[in-house]
Amino acid sequence: GAGVSQSPSNKVTEKGKDVELRCDPISGHTALYWYRQSLGQGLEFLIYFQGNSAPDKSGLPSDRFSAERTGGSVSTLTIQRTQQEDSAVYLCASSLYRGAAERNEQFFGPGTRLTVL
Amino acid sequence: AQSVTQLGSHVSVSEGALVLLRCNYSSSVPPYLFWYVQYPNQGLQLLLKYTSAATLVKGINGFEAEFKKSETSFHLTKPSAHMSDAAEYFCAVSFGGGAQKLVFGQGTRLTINP
Repeated sequence: GAGVSQSPSNKVTEKGKDVELRCDPISGHTALYWYRQSLGQGLEFLIYFQGNSAPDKSGLPSDRFSAERTGGSVSTLTIQRTQQEDSAVYLCASSLYRGAAERNEQFFGPGTRLTVL
Repeated sequence: AQSVTQLGSHVSVSEGALVLLRCNYSSSVPPYLFWYVQYPNQGLQLLLKYTSAATLVKGINGFEAEFKKSETSFHLTKPSAHMSDAAEYFCAVSFGGGAQKLVFGQGTRLTINP
C-alpha cells in the first residue's frame, strides 16, 4: 500500500478483555514504532522494532502490553486484561532505517481508537 | 532527562496573520527536531525536520522553523495563516545514539479565525 495502515480503526471492548491491534508498515521500511495518544498523557512512545535487533520496549507501560513483528513486516500490539486507562488512540509509524546517525522521517498510520468500557 | 515543551496548548490567529508556535527542548546531546501536524481523525504528517544541517528549515505548506541552540528552541512559523492550517501541531525530538524513538511535546491546537 501507499502508506501505513492500521486495523481496526475503532475498537470498543470491555474491561478485562484482551485486544489485538494491527499495523501494516510501508513496504520496505525496516523500522516500526508504536505510540499511544491519550488526553492525559499526550503522545507516548511504546515500542520500536528495527530489523532483526531486539526491540526497544522501554515505553511499554506494564507487562499487560506486548508487541511482535512477524517477518519484519506486520506488527501486532496486544493488550491483555484491558483497563479503562488503556483507552487511547494507538498510532503506528514506520521508517526506512539508514543507520543510527540518521534521523529518518517516521510515517504514521491513522491510528486505532481503543475504548475500554 | 530529555524533554520537549510546547508553550501554549491553544493558539488562535486571524487568517493572513503570522503563525508562531513555540517549542523548547532539554537535551544533553545534540537533538534532532521535528514538527508534525495532525488533522482531525488523521495520523501525524511531517512538516519539517532539523538534523544538524541548516539551522533554518523550510517545510511543507509554507511553514519553517529555526533551530537556536543558545535558546534550546525550534519555533515553527508561517508568515500568513490559511484556514486550512487549523490543526494540532506537535514538536518532537529524537536524541543521539541508536534510539530512533520520538519524544513529543504536548501539542498546540491552532485555530484560524476568518
